[in-house]
Amino acid sequence: AQKVTQAQTEISVVEKEDVTLDCVYETRDTTYYLFWYKQPPSGELVFLIRRNSFDEQNEISGRYSWNFQKSTSSFNFTITASQVVDSAVYFCALRDQTGANNLFFGTGTRLTVIP
Amino acid sequence: DSGVTQTPKHLITATGQRVTLRCSPRSGDLSVYWYQQSLDQGLQFLIQYYNGEERAKGNILERFSAQQFPDLHSELNLSSLELGDSALYFCASSVEVGWPHEQYFGPGTRLTVT
Repeated sequence: AQKVTQAQTEISVVEKEDVTLDCVYETRDTTYYLFWYKQPPSGELVFLIRRNSFDEQNEISGRYSWNFQKSTSSFNFTITASQVVDSAVYFCALRDQTGANNLFFGTGTRLTVIP
Repeated sequence: DSGVTQTPKHLITATGQRVTLRCSPRSGDLSVYWYQQSLDQGLQFLIQYYNGEERAKGNILERFSAQQFPDLHSELNLSSLELGDSALYFCASSVEVGWPHEQYFGPGTRLTVT
């Protein structure tokens, strides 16, 4: 069965600090995709990144970076030099062949960036 | 702006009532997904439609139903509402069934059952 675990329920950091959000997943499929979504206080879900199971190359996009490690079934998300606008709930999600087209979400990590 | 629209934005209703949530997918997207975000269950998949046909079902209650119309918009019908149905309901769309096509989420409809 599919499972996504985000053990960190809430994190608070001071502006300009770096922060890493953890995500651990479970799937029996060898082909799958991992996602991160951001949910700001306004409530919408904003797509951040998609990673497939065959591509373990880390990715950087501005202040955001993602570390995908199949050996530990983890897909962690780091925000460098955090800003107040980064305050949101961040969800990690899994999509695999067994689950068809559906996204299985973790419980989310609420990040608060303190000015 | 994802291009997915949902109406209404907020809905307040009483227990036992029936409501309809509406979703218009992005232009060109044939697949629509419904998700529920509640404090108890988190974000969970309810149901998926592709080009008018039901394709997959998740944790959708029997009191809930959905459909996708020829113009590809979708409606989620919630009946015999209970307090526990209070949640944020998201619609997402993607180009076609199959994966790894991206799912783009609408702004959600916040349902409050009193």
